[in-house]
Amino acid sequence: KAGVTQTPRYLIKTRGQQVTLSCSPISGHRSVSWYQQTPGQGLQFLFEYFSETQRNKGNFPGRFSGRQFSNSRSEMNVSTLELGDSALYLCASRLGITDTQYFGPGTRLTVL
Amino acid sequence: KQEVTQIPAALSVPEGENLVLNCSFTDSAIYNLQWFRQDPGKGLTSLLLIQSSQREQTSGRLNASLDKSSGRSTLYIAASQPGDSATYLCAVNSGGSNYKLTFGKGTLLTVNP
Repeated sequence: KAGVTQTPRYLIKTRGQQVTLSCSPISGHRSVSWYQQTPGQGLQFLFEYFSETQRNKGNFPGRFSGRQFSNSRSEMNVSTLELGDSALYLCASRLGITDTQYFGPGTRLTVL
Repeated sequence: KQEVTQIPAALSVPEGENLVLNCSFTDSAIYNLQWFRQDPGKGLTSLLLIQSSQREQTSGRLNASLDKSSGRSTLYIAASQPGDSATYLCAVNSGGSNYKLTFGKGTLLTVNP
């Protein structure tokens, strides 16, 4: 069974631009979560989607948004990029609320 | 608000040593706790998941315990190997309306040959 996949793996953008990251969960998993990882803050929860509905959102500005499609694939969008948005963005999927969460390899975003 | 702390932040041991990594959390109302491993620049690999009703889980040389009432979990690694070198992260699933994992900052483990 294929794991969680994320594209692209690396991105370089400049301040003010916007970016879209993509995540494909493990087949059959309807829950997709997004996390931001930085050296200073560690791993922080962005949001979770289940069956195309956002169930929970972390403490991030409105520039961070996401969506989930009917095939459970998810996208995350960051608008008006700032230098501080440089991070590893990780996507995870799971079958149910009490099940193991599986992570993808991440997208490394660098904002210049 | 759930807070997760991992001690120590870094640990260096010789190959073959048994070791314990610690994780504590402030709110005992959890669904489960998960231990992950992260290699530099990579994603997270799930090691063990302990449900709130369980006391421990084992996988190979790894054993994780959970004491929900005291807000503590430990990850025991037996007979450590250089390939175990990585950052180990503890994450708590608080459940309810908060469908998210709250992570500790991790323990950077170095196993020296």
